[in-house]
Amino acid sequence: DSGVTQTPKHLITATGQRVTLRCSPRSGDLSVYWYQQSLDQGLQFLIHYYNGEERAKGNILERFSAQQFPDLHSELNLSSLELGDSALYFCASSPRDRAITEAFFGQGTRLTVV
Amino acid sequence: GENVEQHPSTLSVQEGDSAVIKCTYSDSASNYFPWYKQELGKGPQLIIDIRSNVGEKKDQRIAVTLNKTAKHFSLHITETQPEDSAVYFCAASKGDYKLSFGAGTTVTVRA
Repeated sequence: DSGVTQTPKHLITATGQRVTLRCSPRSGDLSVYWYQQSLDQGLQFLIHYYNGEERAKGNILERFSAQQFPDLHSELNLSSLELGDSALYFCASSPRDRAITEAFFGQGTRLTVV
Repeated sequence: GENVEQHPSTLSVQEGDSAVIKCTYSDSASNYFPWYKQELGKGPQLIIDIRSNVGEKKDQRIAVTLNKTAKHFSLHITETQPEDSAVYFCAASKGDYKLSFGAGTTVTVRA
């Protein structure tokens, strides 16, 4: 167990809908990183937050947004869902800013868009 | 941006034999090269990593080698066991916020 908690574990929704994925970092970790794992694109970096502030963006679609709350948990919001958004979404956390070398990954949320 | 290529995509080995997975990267500024193991239904788990100032690192049955000049690094698993069956990913990073992953290698250890 990495100590990073993601909920829900599985999510099935219809095209056009909106979902929220939640990530609770390890105790004491201030950084959260979101990654998407799809069959065609592999594992790709989406976005990084540190202590509530957005620090870096990767290949994140405009339909997707994220935030990190004062209690340090993070949410990834996916809207106007398309079939191609079906993927595993992972978050990772680390104690420091921009420190992916210290990060541990959660078990992921599997999103299926039908 | 960084491009990481990983080979082979699948690898089947007899229990007790060695397994080798190779990766190449494109960005010479990358300085951190981790390897992750992903089991079914779980997230990527870091198994070993190497930084650009080191050529080789070992941890029990696992070793990683890095050739900065050629921009390639490899994972070596010796004395493979059934529990080594999983998907393995290499990655490259400048050590900041982003990992660029290879496409993964599905390793099957035959009993």
